[in-house]
Amino acid sequence: KQEVTQIPAALSVPEGENLVLNCSFTDSAIYNLQWFRQDPGKGLTSLLLIQSSQREQTSGRLNASLDKSSGRSTLYIAASQPGDSATYLCAGLFGNEKLTFGTGTRLTIIP
Amino acid sequence: DTGVSQDPRHKITKRGQNVTFRCDPISEHNRLYWYRQTLGQGPEFLTYFQNEAQLEKSRLLSDRFSAERPKGSFSTLEIQRTEQGDSAMYLCASRLGSGANVLTFGAGSRLTVL
Repeated sequence: KQEVTQIPAALSVPEGENLVLNCSFTDSAIYNLQWFRQDPGKGLTSLLLIQSSQREQTSGRLNASLDKSSGRSTLYIAASQPGDSATYLCAGLFGNEKLTFGTGTRLTIIP
Repeated sequence: DTGVSQDPRHKITKRGQNVTFRCDPISEHNRLYWYRQTLGQGPEFLTYFQNEAQLEKSRLLSDRFSAERPKGSFSTLEIQRTEQGDSAMYLCASRLGSGANVLTFGAGSRLTVL
C-alpha cells in the first residue's frame, strides 16, 4: 500500500527565512509528485509537479525536489512572507489515476 | 479558462436527507475526479471519469454515494440518506489526459450533516 507522510504537522518560521517542507513516500515506483497549497476552508492550488524522470522543479521562490531512491521530496521556500502561511500538501501518483496525499504541513510565517 | 467550479460551496443538511454537488471542470479536460477531505487530513480519492465513463470507484464510496458525468462535461455527486460521518469537504478536480499532467482542483463543497 502506498503511503505519503509529511512531518512536521505544523511549522512556524520568522518572515524572511528560507524553509524546507518534507514529504516521504513508501513506493519508489512513483510516477510523479505534486505539491499543493491549501488555505483554510479552501480548495487546493497546485504549486509544482515533478515527474519521476526529473530531480527538481522551480517556480519563483519555490523549488521542489524528488529523490525516488530515498522516497523523499522537499519543497523549498525562499525568503518566506506572511502570505505563504497555509497548509502544504504533497501527493504522489503511483501508476494509477489516484493521487495519494499526505496529511499536510501547516505553515505559519511570523511577521 | 475559468478553472474548476463547484456548487454549492456550503451545504448544511439534516441526517437522512439527500444532497447533490455539481462540478464543472475546465472545458477541455477529459478526466474528472472526486476526492473527500475531512478535517486535518489529506484528500482521499473517491472516483474518477474519463469523458462520461466512470472508470474507478473507491471502497470509500458506499452504496449511498453515486456520481455521474452524463455528457462528459459537468459531473454530479449525490449522497443519499446522509449520515454525520459524511460531513467533509468534497473536492472536484480535472486534468487533460494522463497523470503526467497537473491536476487542477476546485474550491470544494463543504457538507455539514446535523
